[in-house]
Amino acid sequence: GENVEQHPSTLSVQEGDSAVIKCTYSDSASNYFPWYKQELGKRPQLIIDIRSNVGEKKDQRIAVTLNKTAKHFSLHITETQPEDSAVYFCAAFPSGGTYKYIFGTGTRLKVLA
Amino acid sequence: DADVTQTPRNRITKTGKRIMLECSQTKGHDRMYWYRQDPGLGLQLIYYSFDVKDINKGEISDGYSVSRQAQAKFSLSLESAIPNQTALYFCATSDVSSGPGRTDTQYFGPGTRLTVL
Repeated sequence: GENVEQHPSTLSVQEGDSAVIKCTYSDSASNYFPWYKQELGKRPQLIIDIRSNVGEKKDQRIAVTLNKTAKHFSLHITETQPEDSAVYFCAAFPSGGTYKYIFGTGTRLKVLA
Repeated sequence: DADVTQTPRNRITKTGKRIMLECSQTKGHDRMYWYRQDPGLGLQLIYYSFDVKDINKGEISDGYSVSRQAQAKFSLSLESAIPNQTALYFCATSDVSSGPGRTDTQYFGPGTRLTVL
C-alpha cells in the first residue's frame, strides 16, 4: 500500500545547529505535504506545509523543500533552540486514491543546551 | 486548537466494557478523522468521514465503530475494550473546500488517553 518513510527516527543536535528530517512518499498523486510538531502529551500541530507546485517554502527558522521527481521532501530547522525538542511528523495527501493523509513514523528531535 | 474538542480527556476502563469517545468541532469542516497513537509511535487512521452520510474504514478499524451524528460531531466506540487498545486517541478535522483557498490542513483535538485494564 501507499506509505511515507521518515528518517531519522531520532535526532540529537546542539543548540544553535541545524536539523534536517527527510521523508519519502510512494503515491505520485500526492500534492500536499504538511509537517506537524507534537510535544510530549499534546496534539500534533501544523508548523509548515508545501504544495506540489512549489519547490521550497520558508517560515522564519523553518523551511521545507520538495523534490517531486524523487518523491521526497525535507524539513529544515536552523538555529535550533531547546523548545524545538519534540516529535515531528511528515505526511502526504491525498494518498491511496482517497482523500486521507499518510503519516510518517515520526522523528524525535532533541536539542541539547 | 480549541475549535476541536474531545471528551473525555482521560479514561480508565476494564476489559470487555463498551467505551465511547466523542469529538466536536466548531470549525465548520466537513471531514473528520479518528487516529490512534501508541507510545513512541506514529498516527494510525481508524475511521474517517467526509460528511454525515459518508463513513470510511481506515488502516486499523477492527474492534472500533463510529457514528457521525452531525457535521460537528464524530464519535468513536470500542464495543468491547481490550488491553491492546490502550493508546492516545486523536480526532482531527479538515475542510473539503476546493479552489485557491483550499488548504487540506488537518486540525487535531487535544486527545483522549484511554487505558484498558
